[in-house]
Amino acid sequence: NAGVTQTPKFRVLKTGQSMTLLCAQDMNHEYMYWYRQDPGMGLRLIHYSVGEGTTAKGEVPDGYNVSRLKKQNFLLGLESAAPSQTSVYFCASSTPRQGEIGELFFGEGSRLTVL
Amino acid sequence: GQNIDQPTEMTATEGAIVQINCTYQTSGFNGLFWYQQHAGEAPTFLSYNVLDGLEEKGRFSSFLSRSKGYSYLLLKELQMKDSASYLCAVMDSNYQLIWGAGTKLIIKP
Repeated sequence: NAGVTQTPKFRVLKTGQSMTLLCAQDMNHEYMYWYRQDPGMGLRLIHYSVGEGTTAKGEVPDGYNVSRLKKQNFLLGLESAAPSQTSVYFCASSTPRQGEIGELFFGEGSRLTVL
Repeated sequence: GQNIDQPTEMTATEGAIVQINCTYQTSGFNGLFWYQQHAGEAPTFLSYNVLDGLEEKGRFSSFLSRSKGYSYLLLKELQMKDSASYLCAVMDSNYQLIWGAGTKLIIKP
C-alpha cells in the first residue's frame, strides 16, 4: 500500500519552462489537494478536487492548472514557470468518514527550483 | 482575515514535557488538527479536536477551547525522535484548512 506518491521528487526549471507534477493515491480517496510550503509560512492550498472530473481553486491558484481525469490521479501543471514558484509542493488526499472530517494523507513532496 | 498563531521555535530536554500553543481567528470552526513534520518529510496526522476538552493519544495530548480560540499540543516523555515541526490547522466554515506556519521543536539530550 503506497499511499500518496508524487513524481518527480526534485526538479530544476528555467524561467518560462513548463512542467507537470503527478500525484497518485491508492486509498480510493475522494478528495485530493495540491499545497505549496515555503519557509516561515503555513501550507497554502493551490487547487483541490472533491471528485473525479472536478477541480476548484484554492488560496494561491495563479500560475497553476490542475486536472483530475481519474479518481486516483491529480496533476499540477505550471505553464510558464517563474522564480516565485520555487517551493516544495505537497499533494494530499482525504475522504470524509461518517460523522468526522477525514485527516489528510500527504505525499513525500516535490522540491521545485525555478532559475 | 483568518489567522493561526503558534511559536516559531521551542527547545526542550529529552524526557521532559512540552506544550505547544496555537491560537486562531477564523471564519467559523469545523475542527482543529495537529500534524507532525520531520525535516524534509511530509506532514503526518497527530490529532483532531472538534469539541472542547482534552484528547489523549499515548504520549501526545491535544486540548481545545473554542470560546478562547485556543489549542495546545502536549508532548510527554520527550524522545529525540520528537524533534520536528508541529503544524496547527483549523477547518473554517467552508471546510477549508487554514494552516499555521508551524513550531519547530528542538529536543536536547
